[in-house]
Amino acid sequence: NAGVTQTPKFQVLKTGQSMTLQCAQDMNHNSMYWYRQDPGMGLRLIYYSASEGTTDKGEVPNGYNVSRLNKREFSLRLESAAPSQTSVYFCASSELGYEQYFGPGTRLTVT
Amino acid sequence: QKEVEQDPGPLSVPEGAIVSLNCTYSNSAFQYFMWYRQYSRKGPELLMYTYSSGNKEDGRFTAQVDKSSKYISLFIRDSQPSDSATYLCAMTPSYNKLIFGAGTRLAVHP
Repeated sequence: NAGVTQTPKFQVLKTGQSMTLQCAQDMNHNSMYWYRQDPGMGLRLIYYSASEGTTDKGEVPNGYNVSRLNKREFSLRLESAAPSQTSVYFCASSELGYEQYFGPGTRLTVT
Repeated sequence: QKEVEQDPGPLSVPEGAIVSLNCTYSNSAFQYFMWYRQYSRKGPELLMYTYSSGNKEDGRFTAQVDKSSKYISLFIRDSQPSDSATYLCAMTPSYNKLIFGAGTRLAVHP
């Protein structure tokens, strides 16, 4: 039982490059989330998916797209990376919305 | 003004001390109040949650919510070096879309 897994763990991109962050959960949760964490800002919700087939914008969705591939997987795509997207990205899943289980994070640097 | 305000610290205390961590908020619609703990270079994990006002105790941890003052607290009794982490408050008016505080970094030294 791995919980929430994220790949990759680290990534360095040049401005304008694209990439997809992958997330998978094995807890059969309906809801999945993508957050970014920046110093002094806490966790901010980028997108979430309340159930398979649905996605909704969070607090900071600009510059990102998501895909809920199936119940287990929820990916986050950066189409044209910018230095302002340098951050630590966390995926989470939940059955009861307040109890969210987080993955280990992806540290992304955009130069 | 942020919806949830939390002093980032750092807070440094000796082992055995009582620790008080606090958050204030502005949205009176918040009903669920959570405390997450995050160790260095790890994802957050839920420590405690409270629905509406009142106290909740779990071992050495006590969570308090005062909705009239829009103020929540987490108390840690007999703090241990293993409690050294960042503590994030979070809240929501419904099940999804948690709003997190910035987190308070706590160091408990032997």
